Amino acid sequence: GENVEQHPSTLSVQEGDSAVIKCTYSDSASNYFPWYKQELGKRPQLIIDIRSNVGEKKDQRIAVTLNKTAKHFSLHITETQPEDSAVYFCAALGAGGTSYGKLTFGQGTILTVHP
Amino acid sequence: DTEVTQTPKHLVMGMTNKKSLKCEQHMGHRAMYWYKQKAKKPPELMFVYSYEKLSINESVPSRFSPECPNSSLLNLHLHALQPEDSALYLCASSQVPAVSTDTQYFGPGTRLTVL
Repeated sequence: GENVEQHPSTLSVQEGDSAVIKCTYSDSASNYFPWYKQELGKRPQLIIDIRSNVGEKKDQRIAVTLNKTAKHFSLHITETQPEDSAVYFCAALGAGGTSYGKLTFGQGTILTVHP
Repeated sequence: DTEVTQTPKHLVMGMTNKKSLKCEQHMGHRAMYWYKQKAKKPPELMFVYSYEKLSINESVPSRFSPECPNSSLLNLHLHALQPEDSALYLCASSQVPAVSTDTQYFGPGTRLTVL
């Protein structure tokens, strides 16, 4: 089945700096990659996603890049703010075999933005 | 509206109790999911319903019994749980089952404690 690796597990930045979180996946058939933000005690909230027909997608301070050949994708947050502090999960939606239709998550990155 | 609702928010039960978790969405989504999330871990898929039929069971113990009465509702019946089943139980829905680019939206979860 699909396997998703996420790094780093924790990330601490100063307000205004950029933050980058990286993920790799194993199933070359996967073609949808969402990113979720989860604040303490709350639901995972979709913040951005990318489909395999594009290499990059941007939404204000958040961007995601995808390299299908290398099977990795990254989340970039610019001009970080304290309210960006949360756990971020990358995920890959399986598109083949026993992984079809299943969302596999990375282990999560705890992002802390210091004022 | 991308809202999935869940009740109750919190549940405390003994190992001999029977209880149910409820999930509802009115987005016309035809796929619904149950996930289990332990602290500081990513969500783990338990069950998937496609067009009101159970399509994926991730080898979940029989003390968890899902039910999909109609296209808007999803229940999870609990019986004879163990303390290690204490976790956040998340429901999610997506528009079209078994499509490899389908976005999943999460409910706020039920925080379950088994004594």
